[in-house]
Amino acid sequence: EAGVTQSPRYAVLQEGQAVSFWCDPISGHDTLYWYQQPRDQGPQLLVYFRDEAVIDNSQLPSDRFSAVRPKGTNSTLKIQSAKQGDTATYLCASSPGTISNERLFFGHGTKLSVL
Amino acid sequence: GDSVTQTEGLVTLTKGLPVMLNCTYQTTYSPFLFWYVQHLNEAPKLLLKSSTDNKRTEHQGFYATLHKSSSSFHLQKSSAQLSDSALYYCALNNAGAKLTFGGGTRLTVRP
Repeated sequence: EAGVTQSPRYAVLQEGQAVSFWCDPISGHDTLYWYQQPRDQGPQLLVYFRDEAVIDNSQLPSDRFSAVRPKGTNSTLKIQSAKQGDTATYLCASSPGTISNERLFFGHGTKLSVL
Repeated sequence: GDSVTQTEGLVTLTKGLPVMLNCTYQTTYSPFLFWYVQHLNEAPKLLLKSSTDNKRTEHQGFYATLHKSSSSFHLQKSSAQLSDSALYYCALNNAGAKLTFGGGTRLTVRP
């Protein structure tokens, strides 16, 4: 079974630059998550989708971050004007449903450094 | 809101000694608790999960018991192996799909 695929694996930016991260979830998984994982911290949920609909984006800094999943499959997370505080690993995960005991399947993440 | 606390950021052990990684949580609902493990340069993956009070759950030599009375879900193993060196995250889900993670514990096992 193919896992969750993310690209790129690494990104290095200057402050103020834009960057996009791409995620391809496991086929058939209707729930997709984006987590931010600062160095030496646990993953923190940014946004999650069920199919193409945003279910919770309350932790997404909406002035600079955006996320879409237009056909309910692949997803893109974009940072419009990166800041040094955005330096982190961005993890995408998917699950088959939205019930409490579902396990999440994670991708390897995109490691972002903002200089 | 929900929260998960892992008190040890770093644990270093000698191979063969027992492992215990602490996890406590706060929630107003009846939760599912999870342990995820992340080896170097790999994606986090599920190690254990439970929602049953006072029942031990085991996988790959690791085990944990959810104690709702003390809001704890500590991860244990009787004998640490070199391959157990990794980041371990405790996580909580109490309603729907939203998973809340603790800060993580980095376990290093020395020869």
